[in-house]
Amino acid sequence: DGGITQSPKYLFRKEGQNVTLSCEQNLNHDAMYWYRQDPGQGLRLIYYSQIVNDFQKGDIAEGYSVSREKKESFPLTVTSAQKNPTAFYLCASTGGYSNQPQHFGDGTRLSIL
Amino acid sequence: GEDVEQSLFLSVREGDSSVINCTYTDSSSTYLYWYKQEPGAGLQLLTYIFSNMDMKQDQRLTVLLNKKDKHLSLRIADTQTGDSAIYFCASRRASKIIFGSGTRLSIRP
Repeated sequence: DGGITQSPKYLFRKEGQNVTLSCEQNLNHDAMYWYRQDPGQGLRLIYYSQIVNDFQKGDIAEGYSVSREKKESFPLTVTSAQKNPTAFYLCASTGGYSNQPQHFGDGTRLSIL
Repeated sequence: GEDVEQSLFLSVREGDSSVINCTYTDSSSTYLYWYKQEPGAGLQLLTYIFSNMDMKQDQRLTVLLNKKDKHLSLRIADTQTGDSAIYFCASRRASKIIFGSGTRLSIRP
């Protein structure tokens, strides 16, 4: 079945460590997104990519980095510069037509050790 | 800037109808969406409505859009315990999608 796969489901980070969250989609979607969700809050956009080898900062990009080397993959790295990384991270993708909604993965919960 | 607002909580009795409300500011929004999020999971698309429509019905779900007031609502008929979740409203203009903060729906017996 087509969908978005995020891994791992749970991730722990030590102080000063970079960690990478994986997002893979087999929906043949051009655009992919990363969101951060904090308890009781909505989704905040970290980065998005509308095409391979191109990506843009969202509202809260500081302390994060991404790459888009393949259409189906959009990994997110949480760097040591992100001082408050504990959150639920959601990856989404959407097709090229203007009515296309975003499809979401099941999320990765990141915690600090 | 663009904004989407929702009330944070709603509590309804099992079997009653639930109405979740949303307001948005971008009058150029082309599509408006309702998503459902269960604990520890991603967002699941429930339904969406094009901005030139007033209403859309899909089984127990009814979406009403008042474009003049920029007000969107989601009605869930015969609310069941499985409807307990957080519901997000979102608006889309071109490639940009703005989400509300979500409404937590709880069901009481």
